[in-house]
Amino acid sequence: RKEVEQDPGPFNVPEGATVAFNCTYSNSASQSFFWYRQDCRKEPKLLMSVYSSGNEDGRFTAQLNRASQYISLLIRDSKLSDSATYLCVVGHNDMRFGAGTRLTVKP
Amino acid sequence: ETGVTQSPTHLIKTRGQQVTLRCSSQSGHNTVSWYQQALGQGPQFIFQYYREEENGRGNFPPRFSGLQFPNYSSELNVNALELDDSALYRCTSNPGRGGEETQYFGPGTRLLVL
Repeated sequence: RKEVEQDPGPFNVPEGATVAFNCTYSNSASQSFFWYRQDCRKEPKLLMSVYSSGNEDGRFTAQLNRASQYISLLIRDSKLSDSATYLCVVGHNDMRFGAGTRLTVKP
Repeated sequence: ETGVTQSPTHLIKTRGQQVTLRCSSQSGHNTVSWYQQALGQGPQFIFQYYREEENGRGNFPPRFSGLQFPNYSSELNVNALELDDSALYRCTSNPGRGGEETQYFGPGTRLLVL
């Protein structure tokens, strides 16, 4: 079993759609959780941290369920500029990345 | 800009050769991690150094080794190169011990093994 598993995608959605990404992790001792965004041929950049209480940043909402070892990212009102690969990241003493889910938002 | 630089940007080697990749972090960033990213995949954790000592390792063979220096630079060495080692290698750095902090990524070194 992979340490961090994500929806394989790709997701192709129209502008304005709501899209949800799921992620599971295997290390129950993991302490920190993030979503990163990676544009083609660019370095990954932090999108948002994920907290047990859930957190929201504009159109983006992240949720963490420690009991199920599950993380989610919800994007509302998708924009063309949201097209990218979204990486689920789980930290303990180091950071482990999922394979990423590719999102394409179309006009 | 993340303040993390890597060299070289591109490299071509042949199978069986050895390679050294370099990374320069921001001053004060005590942790450096190295990742291998194949096309269409997420970054795969190779290892992590904190204050010049290895303090975490992923599922990579011993022919992948590293060093971290007091001036916040580090190296990734790969011996006996294999074709499957062809990938983008990125280093990251952060001020803390590693697992709790935002990762500041370098631009990467693209390695091609022929």
